[in-house]
Parts: sequence; C-alpha cells; structure tokens
Amino acid sequence: SYVLTQPPSVSVAPGQTARITCGGNNIGSKSVHWYQQKPGQAPVLVVYDDSDRPSGIPERFSGSNSGNTATLTISRVEAGDEADYYCQVWDSQGVFGGGTKLTVL
Amino acid sequence: QVQLVQSGAEVKKPGASVKVSCKASGYTFTSYGISWVRQAPGQGLEWMGWISAYNGNTNYAQKLQGRVTMTTDTSTSTAYMELRSLRSDDTAVYYCARDMRYSSSVPSYYWGQGTLVTVSS
Repeated sequence: SYVLTQPPSVSVAPGQTARITCGGNNIGSKSVHWYQQKPGQAPVLVVYDDSDRPSGIPERFSGSNSGNTATLTISRVEAGDEADYYCQVWDSQGVFGGGTKLTVL
Repeated sequence: QVQLVQSGAEVKKPGASVKVSCKASGYTFTSYGISWVRQAPGQGLEWMGWISAYNGNTNYAQKLQGRVTMTTDTSTSTAYMELRSLRSDDTAVYYCARDMRYSSSVPSYYWGQGTLVTVSS
C-alpha cells in the first residue's frame, strides 16, 4: 500500500514561513490534498489538487508537488495556524499522511 | 448550506457492532459520495472507505475489508457506516465527509461533527 511520510512536528515563529512536507514514491504524479485540524474539531481542507485553495482559505496557504515530495507552505504564520496538518492522496483508496503538528513559537 | 449531522456517541463491548449515521442536507444527496474517516485518541486520520450516494458503489480500506459496511438511504439523505467485531483499537472518533467534486472521492470538503465510539469491556 502507498505510504505518505510527514515530519511529526514543525515549529515556526509568528510572521515567518512554515513548510510541511509529505513524502511518497513519485507523489508528483498524484494530486495531493492538505487538511488542517485543530483540537476537538473536524479537519478543514486548506489546499487541494497540489496547489488550489478552497473558497475562504487565505492566500497565505499554498502548495507544491514534484518528484517524491509535496509541500504545504504557510506564509506569514499566525498563532491561529497552530494545528495538525495532514496530506492525502488517492491510490486505489484514500491515504493520509501521519500528520504534522505545527507549533507557533 | 451543506450540513452533515452524525449520530451520537456510542459505547460498545468487544465483539459487538456499531452503526453510525450521517444525515446530509443542503445539497442533492445523490450527486456526491461520502467518505468515512476515523481518528483514534491522539492519533492521525485513517481513511476507512467511500460510498457513492448515486449508485451505492463502495471502496473499503483493505485493513477493514470484511468488517465494515457502508450504505446510504436516499429517501432520507443519510449515510451509514457499520463496523462489526469491534476491538479496543476501534475506539476512535468517526467522521463522515462529503466529496468536494462530483465523480471524485477525494478530497473531502464538508465534514460531520464526528461520533465517538468507545469499545470497552
């Protein structure tokens, strides 16, 4: 089965840029989707199809995907961005990465 | 507005079954599929499967094959997820989520509020 690998944690100071990676074999050939989940809440889609943003998601959230790594980039990080982030792809079935906890210092 | 409202928390004994419901509103139910995702305490998201609300076609996670059944009732715009032979490691919050687009089972855009299922003797 297809495996997505995310770093367990990423820390960044407010106003800086956070980059969260999602590794998978030739992931660049797949569409990657990213979800944000805050404690006690359902996930929220923040980026889909590698780099598109749903309505209402700030432009600070962007994505890229090439080779064996997809990346979610959050610019000008705010305290409210502190959350768990999950990548997802479709590989005959849905696959989630293990999740990355973003800490805003 | 699109809403997915799930049934309430459940406590089950090992070996029992649980059936979680997900009532949809605010859109044409048969136009989008529903995924089920679960999250064990302190753990990540786990994709369980997907059902087409149009024709009932399903796609289940390999590790749950034989224990899970997903169904829909188009007359009430409700999706169901039944999990059998429950074990302690099935303790989790179970989410239903609607496809973002017609004819594509990912990503999920609208999510239910989650249903806590606790398996304990």
